Amino acid sequence: KNQVEQSPQSLIILEGKNCTLQCNYTVSPFSNLRWYKQDTGRGPVSLTIMTFSENTKSNGRYTATLDADTKQSSLHITASQLSDSASYICVVSAHAGGTSYGKLTFGQGTILTVHP
Amino acid sequence: DARVTQTPRDKVTEMGQEVTMRCQPILGHNTVFWYRQTMMQGLELLAYFRNRAPLDDSGMPKDRFSAEMPDATLATLKIQPSEPRDSAVYFCASASGYRELFFGEGSRLTVL
Repeated sequence: KNQVEQSPQSLIILEGKNCTLQCNYTVSPFSNLRWYKQDTGRGPVSLTIMTFSENTKSNGRYTATLDADTKQSSLHITASQLSDSASYICVVSAHAGGTSYGKLTFGQGTILTVHP
Repeated sequence: DARVTQTPRDKVTEMGQEVTMRCQPILGHNTVFWYRQTMMQGLELLAYFRNRAPLDDSGMPKDRFSAEMPDATLATLKIQPSEPRDSAVYFCASASGYRELFFGEGSRLTVL
């Protein structure tokens, strides 16, 4: 069964500190891995999309890593800001063949709270 | 500023009533998804369309839920009759082919 596990479930850090969120998956055949940020009361917004051949991808203060061998990904947030408080969702896509959109498996998310 | 538009943003209704949620995908996007999000289950796929044709609605309770795309600019999700367990946030998302997925702001449904 395809699964995506995220840890920790929640995290509290002080503004300006760094943090790393983890994502382990058992999705097969792997197509790509995405990280989304979801602010309270809003829809998820894409941060990064990584394919099999990509080890690292950055988007501003967000850096995602992917180890396709161990089926692990991490999202590192540098110099956190109050606006980083949100739920971070790891999503893994399985190959569907042709141009069909692969089936997405969602993690439960990590709730990050940044305190001043 | 291209975005997925969902209406209504909030809906409170009584058990047994019909609920219709609407979504306007980003212009030119040919893949549209309906998701449901709850605290317990997270995001669950209900249905998805490509070029207006339903490709997967296996996540949707068929007896009360229906999803359609009357045209390329409108997707609808209907619940009839609604039940308290349907209370959740319903998200529409669209994509061009199999590229990045863009979510709407969601429709929060409360069934009393």
